[in-house]
Amino acid sequence: AQSVTQLGSHVSVSEGALVLLRCNYSSSVPPYLFWYVQYPNQGLQLLLKYTTGATLVKGINGFEAEFKKSETSFHLTKPSAHMSDAAEYFCAVTGSGGYNKLIFGAGTRLAVHP
Amino acid sequence: EAGVTQFPSHSVIEKGQTVTLRCDPISGHDNLYWYRRVMGKEIKFLLHFVKESKQDESGMPNNRFLAERTGGTYSTLKVQPAELEDSGVYFCASSLTLKGEQYFGPGTRLTVT
Repeated sequence: AQSVTQLGSHVSVSEGALVLLRCNYSSSVPPYLFWYVQYPNQGLQLLLKYTTGATLVKGINGFEAEFKKSETSFHLTKPSAHMSDAAEYFCAVTGSGGYNKLIFGAGTRLAVHP
Repeated sequence: EAGVTQFPSHSVIEKGQTVTLRCDPISGHDNLYWYRRVMGKEIKFLLHFVKESKQDESGMPNNRFLAERTGGTYSTLKVQPAELEDSGVYFCASSLTLKGEQYFGPGTRLTVT
């Protein structure tokens, strides 16, 4: 069975500081990995995804994530936080069986303070 | 182009009542998914339609939940009778292809009292 663990349900950073949101996964098959963001009163929006190829993936709004197979990790980073980055972030992996079912972590709420 | 829409945005019902949630996917998207997030826990998969057929309903919690997608366009998710533990946010997503990016709606917040 596949699973996702997000370390830290709440993360708080200062504006301009590094953002690091942690995600570890468990998968018996080569995973497809995703980060989604949910702003208040909106649906989930895809930030970035890893399928195959380059392990460092760049997404929207300056975010990037690196797939590390040896560590089963897919941490999300951004060099400099903006106030507008305050949201909830979800790491996800596709389910097995060839379909596109997403398996999510519990989410990390990011707060950015001045 | 309109995104995925869900109706209603909020619903408050009493235990034992029936509620029907609706999802309109992006036009032309054959794949439609339902997910649920209960009480700040992880978002969990409920089921997947390809056109009007249920491709995977392994996440449906019990037979009080009935999902339909008549004509392969919009989908409804009926909960009958609703229980307290059904409270949560129900998300719908759609994708053009089987492995394509899933686009999510804003969700329906269901509260069962």
